[in-house]
Amino acid sequence: DAGVIQSPRHEVTEMGQEVTLRCKPISGHNSLFWYRQTMMRGLELLIYFNNNVPIDDSGMPEDRFSAKMPNASFSTLKIQPSEPRDSAVYFCASTLTGTGGYTFGSGTRLTVV
Amino acid sequence: KQEVTQIPAALSVPEGENLVLNCSFTDSAIYNLQWFRQDPGKGLTSLLLIQSSQREQTSGRLNASLDKSSGRSTLYIAASQPGDSATYLCAGPQGGSEKLVFGKGTKLTVNP
Repeated sequence: DAGVIQSPRHEVTEMGQEVTLRCKPISGHNSLFWYRQTMMRGLELLIYFNNNVPIDDSGMPEDRFSAKMPNASFSTLKIQPSEPRDSAVYFCASTLTGTGGYTFGSGTRLTVV
Repeated sequence: KQEVTQIPAALSVPEGENLVLNCSFTDSAIYNLQWFRQDPGKGLTSLLLIQSSQREQTSGRLNASLDKSSGRSTLYIAASQPGDSATYLCAGPQGGSEKLVFGKGTKLTVNP
């Protein structure tokens, strides 16, 4: 398995633009997580899905953020409009419920100027 | 609410030294705890997963322990090498959910 695949690896965008981050979980995993990592706050969970259904989105900072999981092999995290304070590394992770083993993608480094 | 704390934030040791990284958590009902490694600019790599029924797990030179009663976990690295230099993060689930709560990590530097 190629692991959790995220794209793009790097994204630089101007304030106010829409940004879409993509994630392909490991085949067979049924839970998917979006995390954001900053120096100040460390790793924060934004949202997680189980069997393609959003279970907890309490970490989504505001309405500018939205996430979807249309099928078991694909998820998106969208920021519209983007702001400089959204600059961070965004990680996607997946797991099979009950196993406890999480696999993280390589992350998307987002810079909003 | 689960809170995870790691001390120290940074640690520098000479090559060959044995060392211990500490992790504390507030929710003693956790059902597992994990240790991850993160290299600069990279994602997280899972090192060890300890289930609540276990007290420790070993992988090569790494040994992780879990003491639920005291709310603590340790990661022991034997005979450290420069290649061990990285940030080490521990994480535990929030309540009975799958949500992982992370500590802020310990940045380890092993000097040749």
